[in-house]
Amino acid sequence: GQQLNQSPQSMFIQEGEDVSMNCTSSSIFNTWLWYKQDPGEGPVLLIALYKAGELTSNGRLTAQFGITRKDSFLNISASIPSDVGIYFCAGQLYSGGGADGLTFGKGTHLIIQP
Amino acid sequence: ETGVTQTPRHLVMGMTNKKSLKCEQHLGHNAMYWYKQSAKKPLELMFVYSLEERVENNSVPSRFSPECPNSSHLFLHLHTLQPEDSALYLCASSQDWGQELYEQYFGPGTRLTVT
Repeated sequence: GQQLNQSPQSMFIQEGEDVSMNCTSSSIFNTWLWYKQDPGEGPVLLIALYKAGELTSNGRLTAQFGITRKDSFLNISASIPSDVGIYFCAGQLYSGGGADGLTFGKGTHLIIQP
Repeated sequence: ETGVTQTPRHLVMGMTNKKSLKCEQHLGHNAMYWYKQSAKKPLELMFVYSLEERVENNSVPSRFSPECPNSSHLFLHLHTLQPEDSALYLCASSQDWGQELYEQYFGPGTRLTVT
């Protein structure tokens, strides 16, 4: 099946720093999603990307859908303590035969040091 | 608050017990999902229901039995589980399921421990 490689696995940064994480795949996707999961909670959707090359922002978050359709990145600017959590990328491929389920990366654990 | 609720939030059960997980969505969505989240592994899709019909079953052992009585409710019935089934079980919903992606909204999950 499809697999996503998400990196880095974890990040230790100082408050106020910018953050960058990415996902790559050996196969193409039609859609990329980025989720954040806080401890004891389910993932919350941050950004959805639907077109190759698309660049979308949500506050301090910016995500891009790679031109090759095999990768996506998420940037967080000026990190704050509440940004701590696990960030997941997810991709979906759909064709005339119907949609496949979402394929998730293993997550990037973001830790912010005051 | 995503509009998807799950109960119980925590469950400890023995291998011979029978229990059920419940999910309810208040978003008017037509598709609902069960995922399993284990430590250091990606989320694994278990079941998909669209308009109360099961449309996907990803080779899940029969000791997990889903039920979707209507488009707002989804259950996962558990029996004779194994310790390796201990995980966070997440429910999600989306507007529809089919030819294109509809964004999925997750509940808070049920933390299951099998002893």
